[in-house]
Amino acid sequence: RKEVEQDPGPFNVPEGATVAFNCTYSNSASQSFFWYRQDCRKEPKLLMSVYSSGNEDGRFTAQLNRASQYISLLIRDSKLSDSATYLCAVNHMDTGRRALTFGSGTRLQVQP
Amino acid sequence: DGGITQSPKYLFRKEGQNVTLSCEQNLNHDAMYWYRQDPGQGLRLIYYSQIVNDFQKGDIAEGYSVSREKKESFPLTVTSAQKNPTAFYLCASSNRRGNQPQHFGDGTRLSIL
Repeated sequence: RKEVEQDPGPFNVPEGATVAFNCTYSNSASQSFFWYRQDCRKEPKLLMSVYSSGNEDGRFTAQLNRASQYISLLIRDSKLSDSATYLCAVNHMDTGRRALTFGSGTRLQVQP
Repeated sequence: DGGITQSPKYLFRKEGQNVTLSCEQNLNHDAMYWYRQDPGQGLRLIYYSQIVNDFQKGDIAEGYSVSREKKESFPLTVTSAQKNPTAFYLCASSNRRGNQPQHFGDGTRLSIL
């Protein structure tokens, strides 16, 4: 089983739709969680950190479910410009490895 | 402007040749990382360094080498032992505390001639 798993998609949604992605992680000792956005042939850019209590940034909401070991990203009122690949990243603090482990990404295509 | 600079943007390697990818950051970050991304795939960790003069292997270190002689710089050498080097290489840095996000340079695309 991969340490961090995401549904590769693509998720094809119309403009204005609400879409949600999940990301599951296998290491219960994971402590830090992030969502990144990656445009085609570009570097990943930090979208938002994920906090235990959940957090929101405009149209984007991130949540953490430690019991089921997943994080989620909700995008409301989708825009064409939201089309990208969304990567989740997790830090496993117990292994001594201080580097993020990334999922393979979920591709979102917002259609007019 | 603070950031991470990778060069070159595009690189071509001949058979049997070693090539070095540059990564420089002026964010005063202690930790630096190298990832490889293949088309349609996620990021795989090659090497990382938490502090100057120290580095650790990631998941796919074979065929690669690094050095960390200065805080700002973390060059990656793709050696001839790496038989399938064609990929998008991404350098990142972060505060050394493990709960901080990583910030990426804009990458180097390496291809075989």
